[in-house]
Amino acid sequence: DAKTTQPPSMDCAEGRAANLPCNHSTISGNEYVYWYRQIHSQGPQYIIHGLKNNETNEMASLIITEDRKSSTLILPHATLRDTAVYYCIVRGSQGNLIFGKGTKLSVKP
Amino acid sequence: GAVVSQHPSRVICKSGTSVKIECRSLDFQATTMFWYRQFPKQSLMLMATSNEGSKATYEQGVEKDKFLINHASLTLSTLTVTSAHPEDSSFYICSGAWGTDTQYFGPGTRLTVL
Repeated sequence: DAKTTQPPSMDCAEGRAANLPCNHSTISGNEYVYWYRQIHSQGPQYIIHGLKNNETNEMASLIITEDRKSSTLILPHATLRDTAVYYCIVRGSQGNLIFGKGTKLSVKP
Repeated sequence: GAVVSQHPSRVICKSGTSVKIECRSLDFQATTMFWYRQFPKQSLMLMATSNEGSKATYEQGVEKDKFLINHASLTLSTLTVTSAHPEDSSFYICSGAWGTDTQYFGPGTRLTVL
């Protein structure tokens, strides 16, 4: 299963866009990139996923590079409630998710 | 997104007792359910994967006789921690998926073993 690399922490000003990077250079052609977030003492919340094309939903946008070796999650207007640990995961061949350490995003007023 | 519930949300028990945690998919059918464990300030660690009607597949290092998993229906999976000890104290989280579709997670169960 492909591994992912994320910065351990990031800060973002409230109301600004939060851009969270993720490297997944060993991703294979049929593996999806998933993003989840975990607010303290809660279960992970699904955000978005993609294979090749950029994706957008009501929560975020996902930009995947053409070579698929990296991606960026964009929260267009971060709020204090977006403070959480964000996990970028390449879904394994068995359908399971292997969580890394993620990026701790702190949104500041 | 789809909704997964867990019960109880927190439980405190004495060392040596067994604890059962329920995981239910409320608005979808989960052919596969997953159980994770999370220790303080650490990431989620996959414990086991269960397919409805089949025996669970455990990750390396997870004792199948200690962590009993039952996935008897498409909406319910249970994790029983048998003869719990203080080192089993952790945050247990389940997730469900239809086939290899998106996994949705429950809110977690905080287990404290005294």
